[in-house]
Order: sequence, then C-alpha cells, then structure tokens
Amino acid sequence: TQLLEQSPQFLSIQEGENLTVYCNSSSVFSSLQWYRQEPGEGPVLLVTVVTGGEVKKLKRLTFQFGDARKDSSLHITAAQPGDTGLYLCAAHNTNAGKSTFGDGTTLTVKP
Amino acid sequence: NAGVTQTPKFRVLKTGQSMTLLCAQDMNHEYMYWYRQDPGMGLRLIHYSVGEGTTAKGEVPDGYNVSRLKKQNFLLGLESAAPSQTSVYFCASSYWRPSNTEAFFGQGTRLTVV
Repeated sequence: TQLLEQSPQFLSIQEGENLTVYCNSSSVFSSLQWYRQEPGEGPVLLVTVVTGGEVKKLKRLTFQFGDARKDSSLHITAAQPGDTGLYLCAAHNTNAGKSTFGDGTTLTVKP
Repeated sequence: NAGVTQTPKFRVLKTGQSMTLLCAQDMNHEYMYWYRQDPGMGLRLIHYSVGEGTTAKGEVPDGYNVSRLKKQNFLLGLESAAPSQTSVYFCASSYWRPSNTEAFFGQGTRLTVV
C-alpha cells in the first residue's frame, strides 16, 4: 500500500501571499493527481501529472512532479479567498486499479 | 449531465440498523468507488468495482458490503450500523486508462450512527 504524506496539514494565510503544499511517498507513482474539495462538496480534479519532472500550470497554481515520481508540490501565487479548501493528492497504481489519497492540506485564505 | 449522484444526502441511524447508500453515474465509467472521509484522515477506500458484476475490497472494508448489478449503479450496504461508521461517504467513478484516470465524485452522504 502506498502511503501518501501531505504537509502542512493546515495552512492559514492572508490574501496575496504565496504558499506551497507537498505530497510525499516512499513509493514510485504511475501518476499523481491533485484535487480540491470545498465544504459540503466532493473533491474536484485540478491536474494530473504523469512524467517525472513535469510542471503544469493552472492560472495561479503550479504543480510539479518530482524527478523520481515519488513526490509532488502545489504552489499558489497571490492566494485569494476563493482558493480556500481542502487540497488532496492522489497516487495511482495502474496495476492495482485503484488510487490512494493523502490526508489533505486545509487551506484558509483570509481577505 | 448529472455526473455522479448519491442518495440520500443525510441519514441518522440507530446502532444495529441497516441501510443502503445508492450511487448512480451517467458517464459510462467502468470503475466505481466508495470512500469514507473522517476529519483529518482524507479519503479512505472502502470497496471498489472495476466493472459490472465485480467488486473488490479497499483499505477499510469491514462492516460494509457492496454490489454492482448494473454498470451505472454501485450500492454500499451497512448491515448493522455502529457509531464508528459515522462519517461522510463519497462515491466516485472513473475510466481507467493511462491517459485518463480522473475520478468524478458525488456530493457525499453524511451518516450519523447514534
């Protein structure tokens, strides 16, 4: 079983600040996804990364997959209150046919 | 396009009662999943299905049963509810292809066992 560790668990910042959250494992992933979950809703996919060293950008969000495909980071530039939510990473094991989720980072962006 | 629909959205059970949670998806996905989410513990996989008529155990299967008689439906059953099963339950579905593994989630069922 792949164990995914996300850090920090909680993060509270002011609007306009930058932040980075991390997703780490001792195992190699087939691919990794980042989801965002708002209160009372299910998670929604933000991005999928597949290739080691891959960098993807989604407006003010930058996602990076580690060279060894064991870790990933999510960087948010100039955070806004609308970025508030729970950020989850999920690792895929193609052979197992299922994904493992990290425990998430709860982000609060104060106006 | 409804996506993934879960019913009911809220439920309170007494210890020992049984219930079934229904998940329906209209995206023709092969894979379907049931997760539970507890504070500070992310999503834990209960059971999953890779196709109609097949199911498999996830990380925390004890106390739950599932069935997938039709491709679009995935049922989660609690035979004898316990307070430890108080949680928010999410159903999800996906394709499983190297180029597309996005999971689509329902809005969740908040279950309280008293």
